[in-house]
Parts: sequence; structure tokens; C-alpha cells
Amino acid sequence: GIQVEQSPPDLILQEGANSTLRCNFSDSVNNLQWFHQNPWGQLINLFYIPSGTKQNGRLSATTVATERYSLLYISSSQTTDSGVYFCAVNTGGFKTIFGAGTRLFVKA
Amino acid sequence: DGGITQSPKYLFRKEGQNVTLSCEQNLNHDAMYWYRQDPGQGLRLIYYSQIVNDFQKGDIAEGYSVSREKKESFPLTVTSAQKNPTAFYLCASAQTSSGNTIYFGEGSWLTVV
Repeated sequence: GIQVEQSPPDLILQEGANSTLRCNFSDSVNNLQWFHQNPWGQLINLFYIPSGTKQNGRLSATTVATERYSLLYISSSQTTDSGVYFCAVNTGGFKTIFGAGTRLFVKA
Repeated sequence: DGGITQSPKYLFRKEGQNVTLSCEQNLNHDAMYWYRQDPGQGLRLIYYSQIVNDFQKGDIAEGYSVSREKKESFPLTVTSAQKNPTAFYLCASAQTSSGNTIYFGEGSWLTVV
């Protein structure tokens, strides 16, 4: 089945810094989502982005489907950005496969 | 409000007992899912259902059972056959006509002692 790899596994930032999270996938996808899991465990949808670029405030994402990767950019990070960021892909069926996540800690 | 409701949020059970986690959605989504998350780990798929009265095993279905008698409901039973049931359980739903974009409930923490 499709493999989803996220990097880096862990990231520590000073408040105000920028960061880039990466998601590589091993096969063609028809759907890619980015999620943020907050410290209480809730998974928040950030982007639905099978291809192209989207922006939402300080966050933006780019997926290059032909090269099988997606990037999540966080600018001017805040302590509330801390948590785990997951990439999830769907190859056309009903199964959505998750990467292992990037654990982000933003220091005040 | 539209969304996915899981209950209970916290549950403690003795080893050997079956326990059922509830998941209800009012988003009119066709597909529903159960994932398991262990501390510091990613999400693993337990079961999923595309339509009422039909469901498929995911990657770690052993020791779990589900039913889908209504479109809006997808309860998960953690049986005594599940060797390590203590975990965080997440229910999700998706509308297949919109690229299968998936949405999650708030999760249920199960501790077996």
C-alpha cells in the first residue's frame, strides 16, 4: 500500500520563527489533507490540498502531486501552534492513510 | 451545530470487559471510520464503513467489532480479545462526493485496568 512519510519528526521553534513541514507519499493520490492535533487530542482540518497551493492566515500548503510531496508552511509561529501535524492521503478508495506526524513545540 | 459526537470522552474498564464507544454524525456523510492512537504515535485504521449495513476491516481490526445500522451512527465495541485496549479512539466521517475529505470527532480515551 501507499507509504506516507513526514519530516522532521520533531521540531522546536522560538515564538515568531517560520517553519516548513514535509509530507512525502509513494503513490498517486486523489486527496491530501493536513491536520493539527492539539494537546487535548482534537484533530483540526487545516487544508484539503490534492494539488496546488492554499493559504489560511499564517498557514499555507503546497502539494506537488507529480513529485509526490506536500509542504506545510507556518509563519510567525505562536505557542498555540504547538501540537502534532499530520498529513493524510487517499488514493481513490475509502481508506485514508496517515503519516506518523511532526511534533511541534513553540517556545514563548 | 453540525459535527461528529463521540461518547464517552473518558472511560475506565476492568480487563476482560467489553466496552462500546459511541459515534454519531449529523453531517449526512456516507463514510465513517474508527482510528486508534497510542501515546506519541500516529493513527491506525480499525474499521471503516462506506454505507449502511456494510463495513470493512482496517489494519488493526482484531479484537474490535462495529455495526452500521443507521447512516449517522457507527459504534465501536472493544472486546476482551483486544490484548492492549488502552488507547485514544477517534471516530471520523467523510463525504465521498467531495474527495473523501475526512472530519474527526473529539475522541474517546479508554483505560483498561
